[in-house]
Amino acid sequence: GAGVSQSPRYKVAKRGQDVALRCDPISGHVSLFWYQQALGQGPEFLTYFQNEAQLDKSGLPSDRFFAERPEGSVSTLKIQRTQQEDSAVYLCASSSGTSGSEQYFGPGTRLTVT
Amino acid sequence: KQEVTQIPAALSVPEGENLVLNCSFTDSAIYNLQWFRQDPGKGLTSLLLIQSSQREQTSGRLNASLDKSSGRSTLYIAASQPGDSATYLCAPDNAGNMLTFGGGTRLMVKP
Repeated sequence: GAGVSQSPRYKVAKRGQDVALRCDPISGHVSLFWYQQALGQGPEFLTYFQNEAQLDKSGLPSDRFFAERPEGSVSTLKIQRTQQEDSAVYLCASSSGTSGSEQYFGPGTRLTVT
Repeated sequence: KQEVTQIPAALSVPEGENLVLNCSFTDSAIYNLQWFRQDPGKGLTSLLLIQSSQREQTSGRLNASLDKSSGRSTLYIAASQPGDSATYLCAPDNAGNMLTFGGGTRLMVKP
């Protein structure tokens, strides 16, 4: 079956623009995660959904970041008024269980803010 | 807050060597620990998941061990091959829904 997919794969935005990043999890996976990976570093947790409920958003760096998963499947990470420090790879992962299950990652979206 | 350290940060070896990659973490109250591989410009590929009640997991030439009480995990790669060249990341899961990643070990296996 298909894995986790993300679109677009690459996004260039001018400072101040809004962007929306999409994640399609593995079909039937209950849990969905977003991570941010800066160049040369390990990923950092942003937020977590169980079905349509956002249960943890403690990693979102500012109120310019917003994530949603309205029907418990596809998720969108939105960044408003992008800043240069937002440049990173945004990774989405999904898992079949509600707690402590193996996470499967998508290829990521590389965001460059100029 | 969980902190994860991976040693060494980079490693270059000739083909055929057996390798040990080290991961240490500060909070031992974990659900599980995953090891991932990341190729340049790509996402993460899950290699092994060790539950907190387990001591080790094996998959092919890979063996991961977990010593939860001391906050350590190791990834053993047997008979390394050039195709093993990648960055290896370890990530303990404390809350059942949030992985904390180390900085990774960049491995280069030379033919």
